[in-house]
Amino acid sequence: NAGVTQTPKFQVLKTGQSMTLQCAQDMNHEYMSWYRQDPGMGLRLIHYSVGAGITDQGEVPNGYNVSRSTTEDFPLRLLSAAPSQTSVYFCASSNGQGKGTEAFFGQGTRLTVV
Amino acid sequence: GNSVTQMEGPVTLSEEAFLTINCTYTATGYPSLFWYVQYPGEGLQLLLKATKADDKGSNKGFEATYRKETTSFHLEKGSVQVSDSAVYFCALTTRSGGGADGLTFGKGTHLIIQP
Repeated sequence: NAGVTQTPKFQVLKTGQSMTLQCAQDMNHEYMSWYRQDPGMGLRLIHYSVGAGITDQGEVPNGYNVSRSTTEDFPLRLLSAAPSQTSVYFCASSNGQGKGTEAFFGQGTRLTVV
Repeated sequence: GNSVTQMEGPVTLSEEAFLTINCTYTATGYPSLFWYVQYPGEGLQLLLKATKADDKGSNKGFEATYRKETTSFHLEKGSVQVSDSAVYFCALTTRSGGGADGLTFGKGTHLIIQP
């Protein structure tokens, strides 16, 4: 029962470096998304996808890129890391069958930008 | 826009105490309402949900009722256990895809249960 798998679990970057956070799900879910969790802020939506080849911006998209070439994978790219991107990142997926659909979350990637 | 307000805590209770975590919301449209729980070092998992007014969601002894007239979805449990220690998030969506195309979260309530 893999569910939603995120890698890596921890990462330290230097300012200006780039990296890709990986997310994969094995539930054949159409909908996938990325959130960031900051102290006292709850979770905020970065980008989401409603199917392969379709992505859209969420509440806080600046500094991040996404693409969705397969149903299973939804990587998040940081183009030039900044200290403000220090956060815990969660990937989520759902089957998109109505507003009451449950979202399944990965275990998170803790990113520190120094 | 959509927003969720919940008490932030930390909330510290003794084992077997009664728990209430308040949650109120504003929404454009008719939202579905959720409580998610995050145990230490883990991702979020769905605790319970309600999709229309007066619905009651329940799971693991927790309950919450969708109150449209007061725009609230308060979480309650009659007798908490040490294992309930976690961070609890109230959330809503008005989007057709449910969770993964846009949940709006509250800031989270850290619950600590002492033996």
